[in-house]
Amino acid sequence: RKEVEQDPGPFNVPEGATVAFNCTYSNSASQSFFWYRQDCRKEPKLLMSVYSSGNEDGRFTAQLNRASQYISLLIRDSKLSDSATYLCVAYSGTYKYIFGTGTRLKVLA
Amino acid sequence: ETGVTQSPTHLIKTRGQQVTLRCSSQSGHNTVSWYQQALGQGPQFIFQYYREEENGRGNFPPRFSGLQFPNYSSELNVNALELDDSALYLCASSLVPSSDEQYFGPGTRLTVT
Repeated sequence: RKEVEQDPGPFNVPEGATVAFNCTYSNSASQSFFWYRQDCRKEPKLLMSVYSSGNEDGRFTAQLNRASQYISLLIRDSKLSDSATYLCVAYSGTYKYIFGTGTRLKVLA
Repeated sequence: ETGVTQSPTHLIKTRGQQVTLRCSSQSGHNTVSWYQQALGQGPQFIFQYYREEENGRGNFPPRFSGLQFPNYSSELNVNALELDDSALYLCASSLVPSSDEQYFGPGTRLTVT
């Protein structure tokens, strides 16, 4: 079983739709969690950190459920420019930065 | 942009050859981590360097080795290249090894034929 698991998708959604991704992690010692966005053939870029209390940044909302060991990312009012791969990351201490395989999102006009 | 740079951008090598990839960390960051990202996969941790020493290693064979220099820049060396080494190699810098925030460079795309 992979330490961080994501549905690879692709998720094809129309512009303006709301879409949600989940990610599960197996290491209960994981301390911090992140969502990264990766465009085709580019480096991952930090989208947002994920806090236990949940956090929001504009159209993006991230939530953490430690009891069930999953994190989620909600994107409201999807834009064409949101099309990318979204990588979930669990960090469990020095250098232990574990990525999921990513979820592909395609927003359709 | 993150301030992390990598060279070269692209590289084509043949099986059995050796390759060296380079990374310059963001100003003030003394820790560099290297990742391999195969097509359709998430980045896989190779190793981390801090104060010119290897600080941790993922599940990669010894033919993957590295260096860090006094200016915190780093090299990744891969010997005896195999076809499966074809991937995007990413370097990430962080302020200290225990920092949970990393900043990625643009990557080097290696193709082994």
